[in-house]
Amino acid sequence: GAGVSQSPSNKVTEKGKDVELRCDPISGHTALYWYRQSLGQGLEFLIYFQGNSAPDKSGLPSDRFSAERTGGSVSTLTIQRTQQEDSAVYLCASSLGGNRGVSSYEQYFGPGTRLTVT
Amino acid sequence: AQTVTQSQPEMSVQEAETVTLSCTYDTSESDYYLFWYKQPPSRQMILVIRQEAYKQQNATENRFSVNFQKAAKSFSLKISDSQLGDAAMYFCAYWLMTGTASKLTFGTGTRLQVTL
Repeated sequence: GAGVSQSPSNKVTEKGKDVELRCDPISGHTALYWYRQSLGQGLEFLIYFQGNSAPDKSGLPSDRFSAERTGGSVSTLTIQRTQQEDSAVYLCASSLGGNRGVSSYEQYFGPGTRLTVT
Repeated sequence: AQTVTQSQPEMSVQEAETVTLSCTYDTSESDYYLFWYKQPPSRQMILVIRQEAYKQQNATENRFSVNFQKAAKSFSLKISDSQLGDAAMYFCAYWLMTGTASKLTFGTGTRLQVTL
């Protein structure tokens, strides 16, 4: 079946502009995650959704970052007033969720969006 | 807070040989999950193998196996009969769900080169 998809694949933006990154999880997956991968910081957790709710937003680096999920499916990560330090690959992952053993927790990743802020 | 340490930034193995990638982690929890992910140049993170902490038996997936030492908080990945397609970044990851929190904590990765 279809995996996790993300768009755009690459995004170049000017400092100070807003950007939106999109994630389409695997159909039927109730849990969705955003991570950021950068050279200096490695792989960092940003936010976790269960359904449309975000019980864990602890990784969002500043109030310029926000995310939403609608219909228990598509999620959008928005970065306002982008800064050069926001340049990174943004990865989205989804998992079955619930409590059905390890298969519920296995996270499947999309190909990522490479964001470059100039 | 949980931490994951991969002390080998780069490793090299000859085709058909065996290589072991190291991972240690720190946690005060007793029930958690550990994963190895592979990230080729395409950027896509691919799940390689998983281990439930409550299971004593080491996980195996074809040419991939782990050595899970819970008391030592060690979780190494062994790749047997290495193939050119195994060349990638490998990340060790720890997962724990407590209350509302659910996230993977990753190590810094090991870049594996496979030579002819």
